[in-house]
Amino acid sequence: AQTVTQSQPEMSVQEAETVTLSCTYDTSESDYYLFWYKQPPSRQMILVIRQEAYKQQNATENRFSVNFQKAAKSFSLKISDSQLGDAAMYFCAYRSANKNKGNTPLVFGKGTRLSVIA
Amino acid sequence: DTAVSQTPKYLVTQMGNDKSIKCEQNLGHDTMYWYKQDSKKFLKIMFSYNNKELIINETVPNRFSPKSPDKAHLNLHINSLELGDSAVYFCASSQWGGLAGVRAWEQYFGPGTRLTVT
Repeated sequence: AQTVTQSQPEMSVQEAETVTLSCTYDTSESDYYLFWYKQPPSRQMILVIRQEAYKQQNATENRFSVNFQKAAKSFSLKISDSQLGDAAMYFCAYRSANKNKGNTPLVFGKGTRLSVIA
Repeated sequence: DTAVSQTPKYLVTQMGNDKSIKCEQNLGHDTMYWYKQDSKKFLKIMFSYNNKELIINETVPNRFSPKSPDKAHLNLHINSLELGDSAVYFCASSQWGGLAGVRAWEQYFGPGTRLTVT
């Protein structure tokens, strides 16, 4: 079974600074997706960024980028120019891309609570 | 316009009662899910339905019974509610890319239902 580990229960960053959230995962599959979700106090799950395992290039979405190290099974999220609105729980998630498994659910890490200090 | 909707958003009830949470998606997706987020914010899959058929049933007490009347709806019925059932329940949906391997990766989440059992 796949597992996702987020080793930082809480992180804080000064406004306008950069912060990196860590995520490692364990799988025997070669084809999968990795995601970072943001959950603000409203509790809505918001997709921040995704990475497909077969792509070597790291995904980027505006101020959000990832460092995907497939061999190390590491998938960290970097938030640049942090804003007050970035304060939230961040979840790393894994999903199999094995087409023979059909639509597979997400496997989540336990989350990192990010605080942004003005 | 809401892609995935859940009703109710808040549910407060007493131990021993039976309650239902409804989910509807208007995205035309063929797979729907129920996730549970516990008091420590950990998110875990409970059930997954594909075209109205149950395909994943994690180790969930049989007091929980999902029902999918059609592809667009997935309801969760809970019998004999216990204090430990207090959590946020998320519905989600996605579209399978099929055996042709079309990459369809995103899951869309509903706003969640906060269930409090007293």
